[in-house]
Amino acid sequence: EIVLRQSPATLSLSPGERATLSCRASQSVSSYLAWYQQKPGQAPKLLIYNASKRATDIPARFSGSGSGTDFTLTISSLEPEDFAVYYCQVRSSWSWTFGQGTKVEIK
Amino acid sequence: DVQLLESGGDLVQPGGSLRLSCAASGFSFSTFAMSWVRQAPGKGLEWVSTISGSGSNRYYADSVKGRFTISRDNSKNTVSLQMHSLRAEDTAVYYCAKFDTMSHLDYWGQGTLVTVSS
Repeated sequence: EIVLRQSPATLSLSPGERATLSCRASQSVSSYLAWYQQKPGQAPKLLIYNASKRATDIPARFSGSGSGTDFTLTISSLEPEDFAVYYCQVRSSWSWTFGQGTKVEIK
Repeated sequence: DVQLLESGGDLVQPGGSLRLSCAASGFSFSTFAMSWVRQAPGKGLEWVSTISGSGSNRYYADSVKGRFTISRDNSKNTVSLQMHSLRAEDTAVYYCAKFDTMSHLDYWGQGTLVTVSS
């Protein structure tokens, strides 16, 4: 079973700053990694799939990169609505795994 | 627009059973696999189960295997999760979600709360 480790657990930044979130897999997952955003009291929302493809209507300030075991979600300039928890997720054979999440909070 | 509406969450005693349902609309339901994902209070996301578009293939997390059963009715555009032998650690918000490809979930419902407590 693949394990996903996200870092840092919490990222304290100000609006306008750049956010860099990491997701590391315990074994290679090729490029089949997705990122989700979850705000309090809301369902998760797909941001990025296949490591670098933005989902429908996702702003260009969100970008994903990486392959193999190391992946990054970058938010180029934080907007007030971007403060949330972010999860990475991968499929391995016939199971699906989420990372433990990174909380992006207002500094 | 794609819509997923869960129902059936409730307070249930340990050892009890519960059936969750998810009504889907806005897409060709039988074409896409569906999944249940849960989130315990204050915790992260945990995949629970997946069913293929035809319903012929079903997959479960080890934590629920043998206790939970996923099913779908493509004539009614619904997917269900039958839960037996519920434990305190099954307490969570349960989300119904639609797969795009089999690798990622592109639409999620708002969730339904299951509380297992005496």
